[in-house]
Amino acid sequence: DQQVKQNSPSLSVQEGRISILNCDYTNSMFDYFLWYKKYPAEGPTFLISISSIKDKNEDGRFTVFLNKSAKHLSLHIVPSQPGDSAVYFCAAVIIQGAQKLVFGQGTRLTINP
Amino acid sequence: DVKVTQSSRYLVKRTGEKVFLECVQDMDHENMFWYRQDPGLGLRLIYFSYDVKMKEKGDIPEGYSVSREKKERFSLILESASTNQTSMYLCASSSRGRPVQYFGAGTRLSVL
Repeated sequence: DQQVKQNSPSLSVQEGRISILNCDYTNSMFDYFLWYKKYPAEGPTFLISISSIKDKNEDGRFTVFLNKSAKHLSLHIVPSQPGDSAVYFCAAVIIQGAQKLVFGQGTRLTINP
Repeated sequence: DVKVTQSSRYLVKRTGEKVFLECVQDMDHENMFWYRQDPGLGLRLIYFSYDVKMKEKGDIPEGYSVSREKKERFSLILESASTNQTSMYLCASSSRGRPVQYFGAGTRLSVL
């Protein structure tokens, strides 16, 4: 039972263009969502998050959008840079619960020069 | 900066061996977690702990146990390593009431 899904295993984008990574969830109790970035041989690093009371959160080149009715969130990276090449994981959590993050399978983003 | 340190980056063990993976965090976080990462499966939670001497099973606890004798240290134990436990193991910590988890660099374990 995959509660958080990232249906695209990989994405290739040209440098300078927009990268859009998608994530779907099934549990309507999730009320906080996070994006992590992972380079090979390193641990995931926190990138950006959004509460379910918002529909958008922006931090520099990174923006996360949340569509609660569709149970869908997306991460936009503009403009994409070569250093953005990594695996991106979305995660969801119930804040008042056990605070266990439920992760998607990850999407490998490659930025081409 | 939060620092989560995992004792080994790479480990090679034989089937049947007892394996200890150690994790230390320096931010006085109450919560600590152990995950494994496998291609196409994302991060899956093995065990977590809310406090010293407390532990809770995650989604895939079979074949693993944990120990938390001190607040800053959380150990993952493979009682009898098997080849299907070959994986990347990641430790994380978080502060009570805050959902952001901070990860260590990971331990890549190979069981031969």
